[in-house]
Amino acid sequence: AQKITQTQPGMFVQEKEAVTLDCTYDTSDPSYGLFWYKQPSSGEMIFLIYQGSYDQQNATEGRYSLNFQKARKSANLVISASQLGDSAMYFCAMRELSSGTYKYIFGTGTRLKVLA
Amino acid sequence: DSGVTQTPKHLITATGQRVTLRCSPRSGDLSVYWYQQSLDQGLQFLIQYYNGEERAKGNILERFSAQQFPDLHSELNLSSLELGDSALYFCASSVEAGGSSYNEQFFGPGTRLTVL
Repeated sequence: AQKITQTQPGMFVQEKEAVTLDCTYDTSDPSYGLFWYKQPSSGEMIFLIYQGSYDQQNATEGRYSLNFQKARKSANLVISASQLGDSAMYFCAMRELSSGTYKYIFGTGTRLKVLA
Repeated sequence: DSGVTQTPKHLITATGQRVTLRCSPRSGDLSVYWYQQSLDQGLQFLIQYYNGEERAKGNILERFSAQQFPDLHSELNLSSLELGDSALYFCASSVEAGGSSYNEQFFGPGTRLTVL
Protein backbone atom coordinates (compact mmCIF):
# COMPACT_ATOMS: atom_id res chain seq x y z
CA ALA A 1 0.00 0.00 0.00
CA GLN A 2 1.18 3.50 -0.78
CA LYS A 3 2.29 5.41 2.28
CA ILE A 4 1.97 8.79 0.57
CA THR A 5 -0.54 9.32 -2.21
CA GLN A 6 -0.74 12.33 -4.46
CA THR A 7 -3.61 11.71 -6.84
CA GLN A 8 -3.14 14.75 -9.07
CA PRO A 9 -0.30 14.21 -11.53
CA GLY A 10 -0.88 17.69 -12.99
CA MET A 11 -2.78 20.84 -12.09
CA PHE A 12 -3.43 24.18 -13.75
CA VAL A 13 -4.28 27.38 -11.91
CA GLN A 14 -4.82 30.93 -13.04
CA GLU A 15 -2.37 33.49 -11.73
CA LYS A 16 -3.55 35.15 -8.47
CA GLU A 17 -5.99 32.34 -7.70
CA ALA A 18 -5.65 29.79 -4.91
CA VAL A 19 -4.91 26.12 -5.55
CA THR A 20 -5.04 23.00 -3.41
CA LEU A 21 -2.68 20.09 -3.94
CA ASP A 22 -3.89 16.84 -2.41
CA CYS A 23 -1.92 14.45 -0.25
CA THR A 24 -3.10 11.48 1.76
CA TYR A 25 -0.92 9.35 3.95
CA ASP A 26 -0.92 6.09 5.83
CA THR A 27 1.06 5.33 8.95
CA SER A 28 0.73 3.57 12.28
CA ASP A 29 3.31 5.80 13.92
CA PRO A 30 1.48 8.23 16.26
CA SER A 31 4.31 10.78 16.10
CA TYR A 32 4.78 11.46 12.42
CA GLY A 33 5.64 14.55 10.44
CA LEU A 34 4.40 15.79 7.11
CA PHE A 35 6.37 17.98 4.71
CA TRP A 36 5.83 19.66 1.38
CA TYR A 37 8.67 20.36 -1.03
CA LYS A 38 8.79 22.31 -4.28
CA GLN A 39 10.99 21.23 -7.16
CA PRO A 40 11.28 23.81 -9.94
CA SER A 41 12.55 22.89 -13.38
CA SER A 42 16.08 23.67 -12.22
CA GLY A 43 15.90 20.53 -10.10
CA GLU A 44 16.58 21.63 -6.54
CA MET A 45 14.28 20.57 -3.71
CA ILE A 46 12.93 23.47 -1.69
CA PHE A 47 11.28 22.95 1.68
CA LEU A 48 7.92 24.71 1.96
CA ILE A 49 6.05 23.72 5.09
CA TYR A 50 5.89 21.20 7.93
CA GLN A 51 3.04 19.77 10.03
CA GLY A 52 3.60 17.58 13.06
CA SER A 53 1.03 14.94 13.93
CA TYR A 54 0.40 16.51 17.33
CA ASP A 55 0.16 20.08 16.07
CA GLN A 56 -3.24 21.47 16.95
CA GLN A 57 -3.26 24.17 14.32
CA ASN A 58 -2.72 23.99 10.60
CA ALA A 59 0.76 25.11 9.56
CA THR A 60 1.16 28.30 7.57
CA GLU A 61 4.21 29.84 5.88
CA GLY A 62 3.46 32.96 3.92
CA ARG A 63 1.28 32.02 0.95
CA TYR A 64 1.49 28.33 1.84
CA SER A 65 -0.83 26.64 4.29
CA LEU A 66 -1.40 23.02 5.10
CA ASN A 67 -4.96 21.76 5.47
CA PHE A 68 -4.36 18.99 8.00
CA GLN A 69 -7.25 16.60 8.55
CA LYS A 70 -5.88 13.96 10.85
CA ALA A 71 -8.91 11.68 10.95
CA ARG A 72 -8.99 11.57 7.17
CA LYS A 73 -5.20 11.25 6.98
CA SER A 74 -4.90 14.09 4.55
CA ALA A 75 -2.41 16.95 4.41
CA ASN A 76 -3.31 19.13 1.47
CA LEU A 77 -1.15 22.07 0.47
CA VAL A 78 -2.95 25.32 -0.26
CA ILE A 79 -1.14 28.00 -2.24
CA SER A 80 -2.88 31.34 -2.16
CA ALA A 81 -2.50 34.09 -4.76
CA SER A 82 -0.60 31.88 -7.20
CA GLN A 83 2.37 33.38 -9.00
CA LEU A 84 4.04 32.33 -12.24
CA GLY A 85 7.08 31.31 -10.20
CA ASP A 86 4.97 28.73 -8.40
CA SER A 87 5.01 26.56 -11.52
CA ALA A 88 6.92 23.49 -10.37
CA MET A 89 6.64 19.93 -9.15
CA TYR A 90 5.33 19.61 -5.60
CA PHE A 91 6.08 16.65 -3.37
CA CYS A 92 4.36 15.61 -0.19
CA ALA A 93 6.52 13.65 2.23
CA MET A 94 6.11 11.91 5.55
CA ARG A 95 8.57 11.12 8.31
CA GLU A 96 7.61 8.09 10.33
CA LEU A 97 9.21 5.76 12.83
CA SER A 98 9.72 2.38 11.26
CA SER A 99 11.66 -0.50 12.82
CA GLY A 100 13.17 1.83 15.38
CA THR A 101 14.42 4.43 12.92
CA TYR A 102 12.93 7.44 11.23
CA LYS A 103 12.33 7.24 7.50
CA TYR A 104 11.20 9.76 4.96
CA ILE A 105 8.73 8.72 2.28
CA PHE A 106 7.86 10.89 -0.70
CA GLY A 107 4.80 10.92 -2.91
CA THR A 108 5.02 10.84 -6.69
CA GLY A 109 4.40 14.56 -6.95
CA THR A 110 1.98 16.98 -8.58
CA ARG A 111 3.11 19.19 -11.44
CA LEU A 112 1.57 22.64 -11.07
CA LYS A 113 1.37 25.08 -13.95
CA VAL A 114 0.35 28.66 -13.22
CA LEU A 115 -1.24 30.40 -16.18
CA ALA A 116 -0.86 34.11 -16.89
CA ASP B 1 21.46 27.97 -1.09
CA SER B 2 20.67 25.18 1.38
CA GLY B 3 24.24 24.81 2.61
CA VAL B 4 24.44 21.22 1.38
CA THR B 5 26.98 20.68 -1.39
CA GLN B 6 27.14 17.84 -3.86
CA THR B 7 29.80 17.01 -6.41
CA PRO B 8 29.92 16.49 -9.26
CA LYS B 9 26.89 18.27 -10.65
CA HIS B 10 26.80 16.09 -13.75
CA LEU B 11 28.33 12.72 -14.42
CA ILE B 12 28.26 10.74 -17.66
CA THR B 13 29.62 7.24 -17.69
CA ALA B 14 29.19 3.88 -19.38
CA THR B 15 27.44 0.71 -18.31
CA GLY B 16 29.48 -1.51 -16.05
CA GLN B 17 31.47 1.37 -14.61
CA ARG B 18 31.73 2.57 -11.02
CA VAL B 19 31.20 6.13 -9.79
CA THR B 20 31.35 7.98 -6.48
CA LEU B 21 29.05 10.83 -5.57
CA ARG B 22 30.06 13.16 -2.79
CA CYS B 23 27.99 15.17 -0.32
CA SER B 24 28.93 17.69 2.34
CA PRO B 25 26.14 18.40 4.83
CA ARG B 26 25.25 21.75 6.33
CA SER B 27 27.51 22.84 9.12
CA GLY B 28 26.30 21.22 12.33
CA ASP B 29 24.08 18.62 10.66
CA LEU B 30 24.86 15.06 11.73
CA SER B 31 22.47 13.18 9.48
CA VAL B 32 22.93 12.59 5.77
CA TYR B 33 20.31 11.02 3.54
CA TRP B 34 20.64 9.81 -0.04
CA TYR B 35 17.77 9.75 -2.51
CA GLN B 36 17.36 8.66 -6.12
CA GLN B 37 14.98 10.46 -8.46
CA SER B 38 14.45 8.80 -11.81
CA LEU B 39 12.91 10.72 -14.70
CA ASP B 40 9.52 12.16 -13.75
CA GLN B 41 9.44 10.11 -10.58
CA GLY B 42 9.27 10.90 -6.92
CA LEU B 43 12.18 10.50 -4.61
CA GLN B 44 13.22 7.07 -3.51
CA PHE B 45 14.98 6.97 -0.17
CA LEU B 46 18.22 5.01 -0.41
CA ILE B 47 20.10 5.24 2.87
CA GLN B 48 20.70 7.41 5.93
CA TYR B 49 23.80 7.96 8.04
CA TYR B 50 23.94 9.61 11.42
CA ASN B 51 27.27 10.71 12.84
CA GLY B 52 29.17 8.13 10.87
CA GLU B 53 26.86 5.19 11.39
CA GLU B 54 24.26 3.73 9.09
CA ARG B 55 20.86 4.53 10.55
CA ALA B 56 18.27 3.48 8.00
CA LYS B 57 18.13 1.69 4.70
CA GLY B 58 15.57 2.14 1.98
CA ASN B 59 15.41 0.81 -1.55
CA ILE B 60 19.15 0.65 -2.05
CA LEU B 61 20.53 -1.90 -4.47
CA GLU B 62 23.36 -4.22 -3.44
CA ARG B 63 25.48 -2.62 -6.18
CA PHE B 64 25.23 0.65 -4.26
CA SER B 65 26.96 1.49 -1.02
CA ALA B 66 27.54 4.56 1.05
CA GLN B 67 29.56 5.79 3.99
CA GLN B 68 29.87 8.83 6.18
CA PHE B 69 33.33 9.97 7.19
CA PRO B 70 34.53 11.49 10.49
CA ASP B 71 34.23 14.99 9.02
CA LEU B 72 30.58 14.06 8.29
CA HIS B 73 30.80 14.23 4.52
CA SER B 74 29.28 11.25 2.78
CA GLU B 75 29.94 9.32 -0.40
CA LEU B 76 27.57 7.18 -2.41
CA ASN B 77 29.27 4.51 -4.49
CA LEU B 78 27.45 3.07 -7.48
CA SER B 79 29.02 0.07 -9.20
CA SER B 80 28.29 -2.17 -12.21
CA LEU B 81 26.18 0.66 -13.54
CA GLU B 82 23.16 -0.07 -15.69
CA LEU B 83 21.15 2.18 -17.98
CA GLY B 84 18.37 2.24 -15.41
CA ASP B 85 20.66 3.83 -12.85
CA SER B 86 20.49 7.09 -14.78
CA ALA B 87 18.83 9.51 -12.37
CA LEU B 88 19.20 12.58 -10.22
CA TYR B 89 20.80 11.66 -6.92
CA PHE B 90 20.09 13.94 -4.01
CA CYS B 91 21.79 14.24 -0.71
CA ALA B 92 19.99 15.87 2.20
CA SER B 93 21.10 16.68 5.70
CA SER B 94 19.41 17.38 9.00
CA VAL B 95 20.44 18.11 12.54
CA GLU B 96 19.21 14.90 14.06
CA ALA B 97 18.53 11.32 13.19
CA GLY B 98 14.88 11.84 13.87
CA GLY B 99 12.76 12.39 16.91
CA SER B 100 9.79 14.44 17.83
CA SER B 101 11.27 17.66 16.61
CA TYR B 102 10.65 19.31 13.30
CA ASN B 103 13.89 17.98 11.84
CA GLU B 104 13.65 19.53 8.40
CA GLN B 105 15.82 18.04 5.68
CA PHE B 106 17.92 20.42 3.60
CA PHE B 107 18.61 19.18 0.11
CA GLY B 108 21.69 19.61 -2.00
CA PRO B 109 21.47 20.56 -5.68
CA GLY B 110 21.79 16.94 -6.78
CA THR B 111 24.11 15.00 -9.06
CA ARG B 112 22.67 14.08 -12.43
CA LEU B 113 24.03 10.70 -13.46
CA THR B 114 23.73 9.56 -17.06
CA VAL B 115 24.69 6.00 -17.89
CA LEU B 116 25.24 5.38 -21.60
